[in-house]
Amino acid sequence: LAKTTQPISMDSYEGQEVNITCSHNNIATNDYITWYQQFPSQGPRFIIQGYKTKVTNEVASLFIPADRKSSTLSLPRVSLSDTAVYYCLVGDIGRGSTLGRLYFGRGTQLTVWP
Amino acid sequence: EPEVTQTPSHQVTQMGQEVILRCVPISNHLYFYWYRQILGQKVEFLVSFYNNEISEKSEIFDDQFSVERPDGSNFTLKIRSTKLEDSAMYFCASRPGDASYEQYFGPGTRLTVT
Repeated sequence: LAKTTQPISMDSYEGQEVNITCSHNNIATNDYITWYQQFPSQGPRFIIQGYKTKVTNEVASLFIPADRKSSTLSLPRVSLSDTAVYYCLVGDIGRGSTLGRLYFGRGTQLTVWP
Repeated sequence: EPEVTQTPSHQVTQMGQEVILRCVPISNHLYFYWYRQILGQKVEFLVSFYNNEISEKSEIFDDQFSVERPDGSNFTLKIRSTKLEDSAMYFCASRPGDASYEQYFGPGTRLTVT
């Protein structure tokens, strides 16, 4: 199982773009990179998943370099409501996986200030 | 938008008592999970359930724990004899099927063992 390393905390201001980088040097060929968001006293919420290059949805973008040893979650123009813990997960949890067990690390506490 | 629901939102019990935490996964989802999060700590996987049987469990999920899907809609987690260290937020999650990877988490049940 690939271990992930991400910053413990980050601060930003409303309207700024936030980039959270996750290192996963031991990522395996079958592993996908997935990001979840968690607000206090709530369950985690899926944000985005990718395997390589770039993935974009209505919430965020995920950039994955060719060697896949790191990834960057990009949140455009954050607001106060984006204050949450963001988790980077790496594992064989992509399409077709019959397991799907998620391994959460400590995540990155993002605080958005007015 | 369909969502996972959990009841109760907060359960207080005495050490040694049995508790049952209830979850209603999203209709038509095929994979079901329980996670827990002790206050201030990581989200930890407990068990996954598919096709009416446990597909994977963690070392936390010992003989004191059991899961059941009694009626095709509810998914329950039973702790037979609660310990103080079982105090945590318990999250249920469900996933549509093999072709998907996103897990949908419920709001959680806060279990307090006194």
